Amino acid sequence: EADIYQTPRYLVIGTGKKITLECSQTMGHDKMYWYQQDPGMELHLIHYSYGVNSTEKGDLSSESTVSRIRTEHFPLTLESARPSHTSQYLCASGQGWTEAFFGQGTRLTVV
Amino acid sequence: KQEVTQIPAALSVPEGENLVLNCSFTDSAIYNLQWFRQDPGKGLTSLLLIQSSQREQTSGRLNASLDKSSGRSTLYIAASQPGDSATYLCAVKQGGSEKLVFGKGTKLTVNP
Repeated sequence: EADIYQTPRYLVIGTGKKITLECSQTMGHDKMYWYQQDPGMELHLIHYSYGVNSTEKGDLSSESTVSRIRTEHFPLTLESARPSHTSQYLCASGQGWTEAFFGQGTRLTVV
Repeated sequence: KQEVTQIPAALSVPEGENLVLNCSFTDSAIYNLQWFRQDPGKGLTSLLLIQSSQREQTSGRLNASLDKSSGRSTLYIAASQPGDSATYLCAVKQGGSEKLVFGKGTKLTVNP
């Protein structure tokens, strides 16, 4: 069973609010990822991290930011939410030849 | 740039049928290939992982193969059941960056 957790599972928030989506894993993986998925569409990598103090932008441009202060924690922040940020956000971790594990996702709705 | 393609985009079959889902990728410099299942509105559940040096992996009614040189993988589902209805995603983990690159998925419907 995957030991990777995302909170909250669902979030409805007003335009202009600052939000942080949490992601934690207990597997000691160095590599962590954030994907964005619009309904019925494919996953797009928006951020990834090689380890503590390492963050990289993914293939899809995103107004969100991430941080990696601890190995197990990889939060994603939106400074000012907009309706265009409405989507599902999926966090994952994995390392080298190991499986990648995904959290259950956070479904964000900005009204 | 790695590109992953899954065919078909959607598939509808009667219960009990055996079926094959296809995945192809353009860059053979991969660590591994992983098949996932995604139910509507949910996260991804890992089904099978094939290392770049392996040819196939099996789990229950599922069998995944990998032909790295031709950039292809198949997921074989035996004796399909309505509970298998979901979207199946193929992802390759890139060598070096270790980024996961996904296909768009195959939406499978198994009719009772």
